[in-house]
Amino acid sequence: SQKIEQNSEALNIQEGKTATLTCNYTNYSPAYLQWYRQDPGRGPVFLLLIRENEKEKRKERLKVTFDTTLKQSLFHITASQPADSATYLCALLGNTPLVFGKGTRLSVIA
Amino acid sequence: NAGVTQTPKFQVLKTGQSMTLQCAQDMNHNSMYWYRQDPGMGLRLIYYSASEGTTDKGEVPNGYNVSRLNKREFSLRLESAAPSQTSVYFCASSETGTGGYEQYFGPGTRLTVT
Repeated sequence: SQKIEQNSEALNIQEGKTATLTCNYTNYSPAYLQWYRQDPGRGPVFLLLIRENEKEKRKERLKVTFDTTLKQSLFHITASQPADSATYLCALLGNTPLVFGKGTRLSVIA
Repeated sequence: NAGVTQTPKFQVLKTGQSMTLQCAQDMNHNSMYWYRQDPGMGLRLIYYSASEGTTDKGEVPNGYNVSRLNKREFSLRLESAAPSQTSVYFCASSETGTGGYEQYFGPGTRLTVT
């Protein structure tokens, strides 16, 4: 069955450093991969989308890579700030509706 | 432009009671979705509607029914609530077709079944 794994439940980093979150998947061939941010008590908010034929996508301090050979996406936040603290979800879209990973809770410590 | 709205925000039910969660979107999206989110389980799709007049089961449809009332509204009904249905429920909407369109989520309904 399809499986999505986000590398860890929680990640703590120092302000100013680059946060790197990992999303791995098996038994799936997604056409698109998306990343969302979720703050406590709120619904997820879309951040970035990357297509299967794209290697990298950037938006301000965010960067996403997509390696269909390794079946992995990396999500980077450069110059992280305490306001970046949230849970980040990866989601895959292919022949089935969007499938979400369980998320990684990022804490940026000042 | 309110985006995706959900009512109610909070609800407590007794086992066996029924209720309907309401969702509406004002972005003229064709597709709408219902998810539940539980600690350690992530977001799981209950039902979705790719277009007005169609509905399909997701990963965890048992115990739920849905109605796509019109293009704007998509409701989720619990006919006989069970404690296992205690969860946070999110409605979402998106465009349809090729393009991998992002989903827009509502604020959620926190449901407790005792």
